[in-house]
Amino acid sequence: EPEVTQTPSHQVTQMGQEVILRCVPISNHLYFYWYRQILGQKVEFLVSFYNNEISEKSEIFDDQFSVERPDGSNFTLKIRSTKLEDSAMYFCASSEEGGLSGNTIYFGEGSWLTVV
Amino acid sequence: EDQVTQSPEALRLQEGESSSLNCSYTVSGLRGLFWYRQDPGKGPEFLFTLYSAGEEKEKERLKATLTKKESFLHITAPKPEDSATYLCAVQAWNFNKFYFGSGTKLNVKP
Repeated sequence: EPEVTQTPSHQVTQMGQEVILRCVPISNHLYFYWYRQILGQKVEFLVSFYNNEISEKSEIFDDQFSVERPDGSNFTLKIRSTKLEDSAMYFCASSEEGGLSGNTIYFGEGSWLTVV
Repeated sequence: EDQVTQSPEALRLQEGESSSLNCSYTVSGLRGLFWYRQDPGKGPEFLFTLYSAGEEKEKERLKATLTKKESFLHITAPKPEDSATYLCAVQAWNFNKFYFGSGTKLNVKP
Protein backbone atom coordinates (compact mmCIF):
# COMPACT_ATOMS: atom_id res chain seq x y z
CA GLU A 1 0.00 0.00 0.00
CA PRO A 2 1.40 3.43 -0.95
CA GLU A 3 2.58 5.49 1.98
CA VAL A 4 4.10 8.82 2.88
CA THR A 5 7.70 8.44 4.02
CA GLN A 6 9.61 10.91 6.17
CA THR A 7 13.24 11.38 7.13
CA PRO A 8 14.79 11.69 9.59
CA SER A 9 12.63 9.92 12.16
CA HIS A 10 14.34 11.84 14.94
CA GLN A 11 16.63 14.87 14.92
CA VAL A 12 18.26 16.76 17.76
CA THR A 13 19.48 20.24 16.94
CA GLN A 14 20.87 23.23 18.76
CA MET A 15 18.81 26.37 19.11
CA GLY A 16 19.44 28.73 16.20
CA GLN A 17 20.44 25.98 13.77
CA GLU A 18 18.69 25.30 10.49
CA VAL A 19 16.78 22.06 10.07
CA ILE A 20 15.39 20.42 6.94
CA LEU A 21 12.76 17.71 7.25
CA ARG A 22 12.16 15.57 4.20
CA CYS A 23 9.14 13.76 2.89
CA VAL A 24 8.21 11.62 -0.08
CA PRO A 25 4.44 11.95 -0.60
CA ILE A 26 2.29 9.25 -2.21
CA SER A 27 3.21 9.27 -5.88
CA ASN A 28 -0.09 10.22 -7.56
CA HIS A 29 -1.04 12.81 -4.94
CA LEU A 30 -1.14 16.48 -5.85
CA TYR A 31 -1.59 18.23 -2.48
CA PHE A 32 1.08 18.20 0.21
CA TYR A 33 0.94 19.30 3.81
CA TRP A 34 2.96 19.76 6.94
CA TYR A 35 1.35 19.41 10.35
CA ARG A 36 2.97 19.38 13.74
CA GLN A 37 2.11 17.95 17.15
CA ILE A 38 3.73 19.27 20.28
CA LEU A 39 3.93 16.53 22.90
CA GLY A 40 0.52 16.03 24.51
CA GLN A 41 -1.22 18.58 22.29
CA LYS A 42 -3.42 18.63 19.20
CA VAL A 43 -2.23 18.01 15.68
CA GLU A 44 -1.88 21.51 14.16
CA PHE A 45 -1.90 22.58 10.52
CA LEU A 46 1.18 24.39 9.26
CA VAL A 47 0.98 24.66 5.48
CA SER A 48 -0.50 23.17 2.34
CA PHE A 49 1.23 23.14 -1.05
CA TYR A 50 -0.17 22.66 -4.52
CA ASN A 51 1.16 23.23 -8.01
CA ASN A 52 4.53 24.37 -6.67
CA GLU A 53 3.19 27.05 -4.41
CA ILE A 54 1.75 27.48 -0.93
CA SER A 55 -2.06 27.33 -1.02
CA GLU A 56 -2.72 27.86 2.69
CA LYS A 57 -0.67 28.53 5.79
CA SER A 58 -1.38 28.97 9.47
CA GLU A 59 -0.23 31.67 11.86
CA ILE A 60 2.43 29.25 13.09
CA PHE A 61 4.05 29.18 9.65
CA ASP A 62 6.01 32.42 9.94
CA ASP A 63 9.11 33.60 8.09
CA GLN A 64 11.27 31.03 9.87
CA PHE A 65 9.53 28.26 7.94
CA SER A 66 9.67 27.46 4.26
CA VAL A 67 8.61 24.56 2.05
CA GLU A 68 9.95 23.34 -1.23
CA ARG A 69 9.39 20.61 -3.77
CA PRO A 70 12.93 20.39 -5.16
CA ASP A 71 12.20 17.54 -7.57
CA GLY A 72 9.33 15.32 -8.66
CA SER A 73 9.22 13.24 -5.51
CA ASN A 74 10.48 15.12 -2.44
CA PHE A 75 8.75 17.72 -0.32
CA THR A 76 10.75 19.52 2.37
CA LEU A 77 10.13 21.71 5.39
CA LYS A 78 12.94 24.06 6.41
CA ILE A 79 13.13 25.81 9.75
CA ARG A 80 15.70 28.56 9.39
CA SER A 81 16.66 29.28 12.98
CA THR A 82 15.18 26.80 15.39
CA LYS A 83 13.73 27.81 18.75
CA LEU A 84 13.05 25.64 21.80
CA GLU A 85 9.31 25.88 21.11
CA ASP A 86 9.81 24.27 17.68
CA SER A 87 10.35 20.94 19.44
CA ALA A 88 7.53 18.74 18.18
CA MET A 89 6.62 15.84 15.93
CA TYR A 90 6.32 17.09 12.36
CA PHE A 91 4.02 15.16 10.05
CA CYS A 92 4.07 15.30 6.30
CA ALA A 93 0.83 14.39 4.55
CA SER A 94 -0.58 14.22 1.07
CA SER A 95 -3.95 13.97 -0.62
CA GLU A 96 -5.03 13.02 -4.09
CA GLU A 97 -6.80 16.26 -4.85
CA GLY A 98 -8.31 19.33 -3.26
CA GLY A 99 -11.61 19.44 -5.06
CA LEU A 100 -15.10 20.17 -3.80
CA SER A 101 -15.53 16.96 -1.81
CA GLY A 102 -13.57 16.36 1.36
CA ASN A 103 -10.19 14.90 0.67
CA THR A 104 -8.62 12.21 2.78
CA ILE A 105 -5.15 13.19 3.94
CA TYR A 106 -2.62 10.40 4.47
CA PHE A 107 0.08 11.03 7.03
CA GLY A 108 3.65 9.88 7.33
CA GLU A 109 5.11 8.44 10.52
CA GLY A 110 6.56 11.79 11.55
CA SER A 111 9.91 13.41 12.24
CA TRP A 112 10.52 14.08 15.91
CA LEU A 113 12.47 17.33 16.29
CA THR A 114 14.14 18.15 19.58
CA VAL A 115 15.69 21.61 19.93
CA VAL A 116 18.19 21.95 22.79
CA GLU B 1 -14.20 30.02 14.81
CA ASP B 2 -14.08 26.43 13.59
CA GLN B 3 -13.65 24.00 16.48
CA VAL B 4 -13.54 20.30 17.23
CA THR B 5 -14.13 18.85 20.72
CA GLN B 6 -13.68 15.19 21.55
CA SER B 7 -14.96 13.34 24.58
CA PRO B 8 -14.08 11.62 26.74
CA GLU B 9 -10.37 12.49 26.94
CA ALA B 10 -9.62 8.95 28.06
CA LEU B 11 -11.62 5.74 28.14
CA ARG B 12 -10.78 2.43 29.77
CA LEU B 13 -12.74 -0.61 28.63
CA GLN B 14 -12.63 -4.28 29.34
CA GLU B 15 -12.15 -6.49 26.31
CA GLY B 16 -15.58 -7.02 24.77
CA GLU B 17 -17.15 -3.97 26.43
CA SER B 18 -18.66 -1.83 23.66
CA SER B 19 -18.69 1.97 23.86
CA SER B 20 -18.77 5.19 21.83
CA LEU B 21 -16.45 8.13 21.35
CA ASN B 22 -17.84 11.57 20.60
CA CYS B 23 -16.64 14.35 18.30
CA SER B 24 -18.57 17.64 18.40
CA TYR B 25 -17.78 20.21 15.78
CA THR B 26 -18.60 23.74 14.73
CA VAL B 27 -17.48 24.60 11.26
CA SER B 28 -18.55 27.11 8.65
CA GLY B 29 -19.76 24.53 6.13
CA LEU B 30 -18.60 20.96 6.58
CA ARG B 31 -16.70 19.53 3.67
CA GLY B 32 -15.69 16.31 5.42
CA LEU B 33 -15.23 14.75 8.86
CA PHE B 34 -12.37 12.32 9.31
CA TRP B 35 -11.46 9.74 11.93
CA TYR B 36 -7.89 8.66 12.48
CA ARG B 37 -6.18 6.27 14.84
CA GLN B 38 -2.83 7.29 16.33
CA ASP B 39 -0.47 4.95 18.14
CA PRO B 40 2.20 6.46 20.45
CA GLY B 41 5.02 8.09 18.49
CA LYS B 42 3.34 7.37 15.14
CA GLY B 43 1.47 9.32 12.51
CA PRO B 44 -2.34 9.38 12.31
CA GLU B 45 -3.70 6.37 10.44
CA PHE B 46 -6.79 7.00 8.34
CA LEU B 47 -9.99 5.20 9.35
CA PHE B 48 -13.08 6.92 7.89
CA THR B 49 -14.35 9.91 5.96
CA LEU B 50 -17.95 11.12 6.43
CA TYR B 51 -19.44 13.83 4.23
CA SER B 52 -23.06 14.38 5.19
CA ALA B 53 -25.47 13.97 8.10
CA GLY B 54 -26.90 10.46 8.30
CA GLU B 55 -23.87 8.83 6.72
CA GLU B 56 -22.35 5.75 8.37
CA LYS B 57 -19.14 3.86 7.67
CA GLU B 58 -17.96 0.55 9.15
CA LYS B 59 -14.66 -1.26 9.39
CA GLU B 60 -14.24 -4.38 11.50
CA ARG B 61 -15.23 -3.43 15.08
CA LEU B 62 -15.54 0.29 14.32
CA LYS B 63 -18.52 2.21 13.04
CA ALA B 64 -18.59 5.97 12.45
CA THR B 65 -21.77 8.03 12.25
CA LEU B 66 -22.40 11.70 11.50
CA THR B 67 -25.06 14.25 12.42
CA LYS B 68 -25.12 17.98 11.73
CA LYS B 69 -23.30 18.73 15.00
CA GLU B 70 -21.36 15.62 15.98
CA SER B 71 -19.90 12.31 15.01
CA PHE B 72 -19.66 9.10 16.98
CA LEU B 73 -17.13 6.33 16.70
CA HIS B 74 -18.74 3.17 18.02
CA ILE B 75 -16.46 0.35 19.09
CA THR B 76 -18.12 -3.06 19.31
CA ALA B 77 -16.51 -5.79 21.41
CA PRO B 78 -13.11 -4.10 21.48
CA LYS B 79 -9.84 -6.01 21.74
CA PRO B 80 -6.59 -4.90 23.39
CA GLU B 81 -5.14 -4.13 19.95
CA ASP B 82 -7.77 -1.40 19.56
CA SER B 83 -5.95 0.57 22.27
CA ALA B 84 -4.82 3.86 20.72
CA THR B 85 -5.72 7.53 20.55
CA TYR B 86 -8.61 8.20 18.19
CA LEU B 87 -8.54 11.58 16.46
CA CYS B 88 -11.38 13.43 14.80
CA ALA B 89 -10.73 16.15 12.22
CA VAL B 90 -12.97 18.39 10.14
CA GLN B 91 -12.41 20.13 6.87
CA ALA B 92 -14.38 23.26 5.99
CA TRP B 93 -15.47 24.50 2.59
CA ASN B 94 -12.90 26.47 0.64
CA PHE B 95 -10.04 25.19 2.79
CA ASN B 96 -7.84 22.15 2.56
CA LYS B 97 -6.56 22.28 6.14
CA PHE B 98 -7.93 19.99 8.83
CA TYR B 99 -8.91 21.06 12.32
CA PHE B 100 -8.12 18.28 14.75
CA GLY B 101 -9.64 17.51 18.13
CA SER B 102 -7.50 16.59 21.12
CA GLY B 103 -8.33 12.92 20.73
CA THR B 104 -9.72 10.16 22.93
CA LYS B 105 -7.14 7.83 24.41
CA LEU B 106 -8.66 4.35 24.48
CA ASN B 107 -7.22 1.60 26.65
CA VAL B 108 -8.74 -1.87 26.29
CA LYS B 109 -7.76 -4.31 29.02
CA PRO B 110 -7.76 -8.08 28.42
